[in-house]
Amino acid sequence: EPEVTQTPSHQVTQMGQEVILRCVPISNHLYFYWYRQILGQKVEFLVSFYNNEISEKSEIFDDQFSVERPDGSNFTLKIRSTKLEDSAMYFCASSATTPDTQYFGPGTRLTVL
Amino acid sequence: AQSVTQPDIHITVSEGASLELRCNYSYGATPYLFWYVQSPGQGLQLLLKYFSGDTLVQGIKGFEAEFKRSQSSFNLRKPSVHWSDAAEYFCAVNTDKLIFGTGTRLQVFP
Repeated sequence: EPEVTQTPSHQVTQMGQEVILRCVPISNHLYFYWYRQILGQKVEFLVSFYNNEISEKSEIFDDQFSVERPDGSNFTLKIRSTKLEDSAMYFCASSATTPDTQYFGPGTRLTVL
Repeated sequence: AQSVTQPDIHITVSEGASLELRCNYSYGATPYLFWYVQSPGQGLQLLLKYFSGDTLVQGIKGFEAEFKRSQSSFNLRKPSVHWSDAAEYFCAVNTDKLIFGTGTRLQVFP
C-alpha cells in the first residue's frame, strides 16, 4: 500500500539555524499539507499546497516558513531561522483531491536547542 | 468558525469493556469527518471517515462511528476494547484542511 514518507525522523538544531524537512507524498496525489503537533497538544494545520503554489496557510505559517516541491516527488518545509517554540512533531500529508482523506507520514520530530 | 470538540481528555476502560469517544463539530456545510489514532511517538493512522450516505461507518480494528447531524456529533465506538487500543484518538473535520480536536487519551487496564 502506498504511503507518505518523511525524513529525517528526528532533527536536532540550534536556535537560529535553518532546517529543511522532507516528505515524499503518495505518488498520484495532488494536494500536500504540513501540520504541526507541539508535545502534548493537538495537531495544527500549517499550510496546504496544490499546483505548485500555496492554497492556504495558517497564522503559524509566517515568513520564517516556506514550502517547495523541488521535483516530481519531494515536498519540503523550510524553517529559515528556528526558534525554541518551533520544537514540535511535523507531519506531512497528501490527498488525491479535496476535501478527501489525507494520508499522513510518520512525522519528523524537530528539537530546537 | 469551524471547530472540533472532544470533551474527554482522558478515558480509562478495562480490557473487554465497550468504548465510546465523543466528538462534536461546528461547521456550516456538510462535514467530512474523520477519526485518527496516534500511538506514542507514532504518526496518525486513519480509523474511519464519513463523507455522506449511511450515517454509521465502519473502520479498521473493529471501530465504528455514527454521524448525527442533529447533534453535530461523530462519536467513535468499539464494543470490546483490547489492550492494544491504548493510544490517543483525534476527531477531525475536513474543510480543505483538517481541523483536529484536542484528542482523547485512552488507557486500557487488563
